[in-house]
Amino acid sequence: EPEVTQTPSHQVTQMGQEVILRCVPISNHLYFYWYRQILGQKVEFLVSFYNNEISEKSEIFDDQFSVERPDGSNFTLKIRSTKLEDSAMYFCASTLAGGSETQYFGPGTRLLVL
Amino acid sequence: AQSVTQPDIHITVSEGASLELRCNYSYGATPYLFWYVQSPGQGLQLLLKYFSGDTLVQGIKGFEAEFKRSQSSFNLRKPSVHWSDAAEYFCAVGLLYMRFGAGTRLTVKP
Repeated sequence: EPEVTQTPSHQVTQMGQEVILRCVPISNHLYFYWYRQILGQKVEFLVSFYNNEISEKSEIFDDQFSVERPDGSNFTLKIRSTKLEDSAMYFCASTLAGGSETQYFGPGTRLLVL
Repeated sequence: AQSVTQPDIHITVSEGASLELRCNYSYGATPYLFWYVQSPGQGLQLLLKYFSGDTLVQGIKGFEAEFKRSQSSFNLRKPSVHWSDAAEYFCAVGLLYMRFGAGTRLTVKP
């Protein structure tokens, strides 16, 4: 069964450093998402992406964040200058047609900012 | 505003006992409702979803959920819990993207 994959599974970085989290969505999917889950808190929506553009973003997704689909398979989340409060599990998701279609989630990348 | 509330942070049940996890939602229109499960170190797996039609929906792993518009609820049930069901369960509502509840951690006693 096709699945969403994410790399790395864990990343430790120093505050102020840039990090790039990578996701490979399911191959025929067209809508891509990033969510995050701070330890002990709920999963929160960050951004959705379709047709090489951001379609929705939350108030969390400020100028420190960016997303990109650099090639036909990868979908990346970049945090330009990490802060301690960026420490979280980051989930990528994809769906075939957006809207009410089921979102398939990857296993997540656990980011720790020191 | 759209929101989801899961009133129970942690539930413990004995193996073989029945289970009900509560979810209440606030949504302006007909909601799209989901239940996801997250095992330790794993991603989110969809258990079931409701868009329209029959208010009792069947999912994977023997789970079902009932949509009750009058109570703004979408509770998850399982008639007989297995030890492998121990995990975190998230209710979510959404169309363009998911809004998740805070989750309910399920512990299964032998």
